[in-house]
Amino acid sequence: KAGVTQTPRYLIKTRGQQVTLSCSPISGHRSVSWYQQTPGQGLQFLFEYFSETQRNKGNFPGRFSGRQFSNSRSEMNVSTLELGDSALYLCASSRRPGTGENTGELFFGEGSRLTVL
Amino acid sequence: AQSVAQPEDQVNVAEGNPLTVKCTYSVSGNPYLFWYVQYPNRGLQFLLKYITGDNLVKGSYGFEAEFNKSQTSFHLKKPSALVSDSALYFCAVRDTAGGYQKVTFGTGTKLQVIP
Repeated sequence: KAGVTQTPRYLIKTRGQQVTLSCSPISGHRSVSWYQQTPGQGLQFLFEYFSETQRNKGNFPGRFSGRQFSNSRSEMNVSTLELGDSALYLCASSRRPGTGENTGELFFGEGSRLTVL
Repeated sequence: AQSVAQPEDQVNVAEGNPLTVKCTYSVSGNPYLFWYVQYPNRGLQFLLKYITGDNLVKGSYGFEAEFNKSQTSFHLKKPSALVSDSALYFCAVRDTAGGYQKVTFGTGTKLQVIP
């Protein structure tokens, strides 16, 4: 069974540009979450999608956006990149969203490492 | 609001010795608790979880964790550390109160096992 696939694995952008990251969840998983990981801030929750709807959102500016497609694949976009956006962006999938009935763990991809120059 | 605290940025332990990585949490309802491990330049891997039942939970690679409701703690333990256990460990919590809740992660603890 294939794991969570994130593309690209590495990318370099300059300030002001935009970037789109892609995440393909494990087959059968319909919930996708995105996290930003930096040495100083640790793991910060960006948003979670289920059935093409954003179910929860973290405290990030509007430059960070995402979407989910009917096949559960998800993309996140960061516009007008800043130096502080340099980070490892992690995608995680699970069968269902974070309701009280969902006891399942998150399955993470390898991440997309973004460097902003 | 739910939160997780990992009070130690780094834990050093000699190979063969027992190890403990600490985690405390705060939730409104009952917690679902998780431990994840991250190796360099990799994503997070699930180690174990506590949902309900026995307070001692066993997971992958010989790790276990003890849920203590009165102390709101969920410490990760292993009887005998291996050099290959050296990695970054994250505790996480999901609150079961209030309907939908995201997973909140701690800041991570770097475990260094010394040969």
